[in-house]
Amino acid sequence: DGGITQSPKYLFRKEGQNVTLSCEQNLNHDAMYWYRQDPGQGLRLIYYSQIVNDFQKGDIAEGYSVSREKKESFPLTVTSAQKNPTAFYLCASSLSGEDTEAFFGQGTRLTVV
Amino acid sequence: QQQVKQSPQSLIVQKGGISIINCAYENTAFDYFPWYQQFPGKGPALLIAIRPDVSEKKEGRFTISFNKSAKQFSLHIMDSQPGDSATYFCAARVDSWGKLQFGAGTQVVVTP
Repeated sequence: DGGITQSPKYLFRKEGQNVTLSCEQNLNHDAMYWYRQDPGQGLRLIYYSQIVNDFQKGDIAEGYSVSREKKESFPLTVTSAQKNPTAFYLCASSLSGEDTEAFFGQGTRLTVV
Repeated sequence: QQQVKQSPQSLIVQKGGISIINCAYENTAFDYFPWYQQFPGKGPALLIAIRPDVSEKKEGRFTISFNKSAKQFSLHIMDSQPGDSATYFCAARVDSWGKLQFGAGTQVVVTP
């Protein structure tokens, strides 16, 4: 069945390490997004991509990187430059158009140890 | 700077009561206003959405009221049930591709 798959569900990182979060969708959506969720702050946009091989910075892109080599995949790398990476990360995708609905994955909880 | 302001941060309502969550925005270019429901440890799921040319939309126990001139919109949950206990986010669409600005969220607890 169609949807968005994020993996892993939980991820632990040592300080100074880069880690990559996976996001795959089989909805044939053009646009994909990464959001960061912290308690009391809602969802903040990190990066988004509307077509393959193109992506744009969101509101809090510093310390993160992405790639979009395939329509189905939009991995997020949390680099050592991200000062406070512990958070819940959500991937979403959508079609363009008037009745656009963003579908979300189940999230990855990243903890720095 | 938060483009969509949501209140209250949390609310407790008795079973059968009405939950009301309010949101306000500044950017008149927003053209679509969805509400998302999120359970702990899960991703948000679309609950109901409205366009700015409509003043009210109802789906089951959930109703959105929209006031374009005041740049405000609200979610009403009628006959609240314990299963409605979740965090609710209002959002506003920035462009036709679906990029969203979210409010900070409201944690709703429905007591038996």
